Amino acid sequence: GENVEQHPSTLSVQEGDSAVIKCTYSDSASNYFPWYKQELGKRPQLIIDIRSNVGEKKDQRIAVTLNKTAKHFSLHITETQPEDSAVYFCAASPKGAGGTSYGKLTFGQGTILTVHP
Amino acid sequence: DAGITQSPRHKVTETGTPVTLRCHQTENHRYMYWYRQDPGHGLRLIHYSYGVKDTDKGEVSDGYSVSRSKTEDFLLTLESATSSQTSVYFCAISELAGTDTQYFGPGTRLTVL
Repeated sequence: GENVEQHPSTLSVQEGDSAVIKCTYSDSASNYFPWYKQELGKRPQLIIDIRSNVGEKKDQRIAVTLNKTAKHFSLHITETQPEDSAVYFCAASPKGAGGTSYGKLTFGQGTILTVHP
Repeated sequence: DAGITQSPRHKVTETGTPVTLRCHQTENHRYMYWYRQDPGHGLRLIHYSYGVKDTDKGEVSDGYSVSRSKTEDFLLTLESATSSQTSVYFCAISELAGTDTQYFGPGTRLTVL
């Protein structure tokens, strides 16, 4: 099955700096890569996603890049703010037999991002 | 937030007792999922459903069963709870499979003593 590795496990930055979180996946058939943000005691919420036919996607201060050859994808947050402090999860959705995955997601272990004012 | 509720939100139970968690959605989405979240493991898929009465196992399904008799409800049952099943359980829904957003419920914190 799919395996997703996420690094680093913790990341501490100063307000205004950039933050980068990296994930690698094992199943070359995976075709959908979402990123979720989870604040303490809250549910995970999608912040950005990318599909395998796209190399980069940007939404304001957040961007995701995908390298299918190397099987890794990264989350970039620019001009970080204290409210960006949270746990971030990457995930991959592999295709199953017959080309369908039923939307199953395999998650990375999470990165605790702390933005210091 | 998408129309997803989970009940109960908190539960404390004893080893060996059966426990049922409920996920209810008002979005009429076809796909529903149960995940557990533990420190250092991210979220791990327990079971999922791709339609009424259509379910299948995820990566950590041992000790769990599910049922889906209506589009809006997906039940997760711990047949005989163990301390290793102490966790936070999240339900998620998705309209399409494969490249569609999964929306998560608020979670249920389960403690097995």
